[in-house]
Amino acid sequence: GAVVSQHPSWVICKSGTSVKIECRSLDFQATTMFWYRQFPKQSLMLMATSNEGSKATYEQGVEKDKFLINHASLTLSTLTVTSAHPEDSSFYICSAMLAGGQRGKSSYEQYFGPGTRLTVT
Amino acid sequence: DAKTTQPPSMDCAEGRAANLPCNHSTISGNEYVYWYRQIHSQGPQYIIHGLKNNETNEMASLIITEDRKSSTLILPHATLRDTAVYYCIAHNAGNNRKLIWGLGTSLAVNP
Repeated sequence: GAVVSQHPSWVICKSGTSVKIECRSLDFQATTMFWYRQFPKQSLMLMATSNEGSKATYEQGVEKDKFLINHASLTLSTLTVTSAHPEDSSFYICSAMLAGGQRGKSSYEQYFGPGTRLTVT
Repeated sequence: DAKTTQPPSMDCAEGRAANLPCNHSTISGNEYVYWYRQIHSQGPQYIIHGLKNNETNEMASLIITEDRKSSTLILPHATLRDTAVYYCIAHNAGNNRKLIWGLGTSLAVNP
């Protein structure tokens, strides 16, 4: 259980174009999803928190007009990188939060997608 | 969330136990200790978490000191597939659901 998928797994696009990445929770409903970016040999950096039915909350320094997030349902969130540039090339990872935990403990476990490798040429 | 400190890298022989330490000396009473790992070019994988009692699941054991200022993740019989970066995170998910990621420990399991 608690599987999260991402599509596509990798994408190459030309500078100036837009790319959409989908994140789906396959066997549970997630009211909260997170989007991360990871550059080589660095840790995950949170970009934004996405809540179903409301606007995403962006971290400081992340341009909300460039990284559009839509969380239209309890199982789907999308990240659109608009007018992509080579410096946007990175590994993008989403996670979905499972409230309550699988073992009934009072906690919130995040389950991660496999990531999307974006290369902008 | 409290800051955590982990060694940058560790080695372990295949079949032996891997003991990964984490210091979280400023952890507050309502913060859990979470462990995740990330295999190269994949998304992180949840391993285990605990508050103050030791925990065990099919993947690992988590030993938390009585004062909760440090913990150890134990992989009882490491395999080559356990080679990954392991992240220890002190987190109160009830208040703030964001996870703050450090650099973790890069564990290399050697044949």
